Amino acid sequence: RKEVEQDPGPFNVPEGATVAFNCTYSNSASQSFFWYRQDCRKEPKLLMSVYSSGNEDGRFTAQLNRASQYISLLIRDSKLSDSATYLCVVTQREYGNKLVFGAGTILRVKS
Amino acid sequence: DAGVIQSPRHEVTEMGQEVTLRCKPISGHNSLFWYRQTMMRGLELLIYFNNNVPIDDSGMPEDRFSAKMPNASFSTLKIQPSEPRDSAVYFCASSPGAGKFLGNIQYFGAGTRLSVL
Repeated sequence: RKEVEQDPGPFNVPEGATVAFNCTYSNSASQSFFWYRQDCRKEPKLLMSVYSSGNEDGRFTAQLNRASQYISLLIRDSKLSDSATYLCVVTQREYGNKLVFGAGTILRVKS
Repeated sequence: DAGVIQSPRHEVTEMGQEVTLRCKPISGHNSLFWYRQTMMRGLELLIYFNNNVPIDDSGMPEDRFSAKMPNASFSTLKIQPSEPRDSAVYFCASSPGAGKFLGNIQYFGAGTRLSVL
């Protein structure tokens, strides 16, 4: 079983739609959680950290459910520019700063 | 800040040749990471350093791969001899380091696209 699992997609949605991605992680000792975004042929970039209480950044909302060991990302009012691969990322205390990346979920927003 | 700087951006070489990839982390960051990304395997951590010391190299595929960090501002990843299956995008990332505010967040360089013919 992979440490971090994501639905690879692709999710094809029209502009203005709301789309949600889920991610599950296997190690209950995971400490920190992030969503990274990767555009085609570019490097991954931090989208947002995920906190236990949930957090929102504009059109993006991230939630963490430690009991079920899953993380979600909700994108409201999708824009064409949101088209990218979204990577779910976790760290574990015993591995210091090591990040474990999911394989990513592809989002395509169409006009 | 200029961000993480990698060179070269593209490298095309022939099987058997030595390849050296270079990385300059963000100034003040204590941790440096080398990743490889392919369509088949996604993003894989190869090795990471804390304060210039290799901490975990379990992701290094085999002895043909080696990495060094002689000082806080420079690291290399070397493949010798290179093989076609090494073709991938190699990313370097740095982070402020454990114990620092948001120390786990990693900032990636633009990557080196390696093609081994």
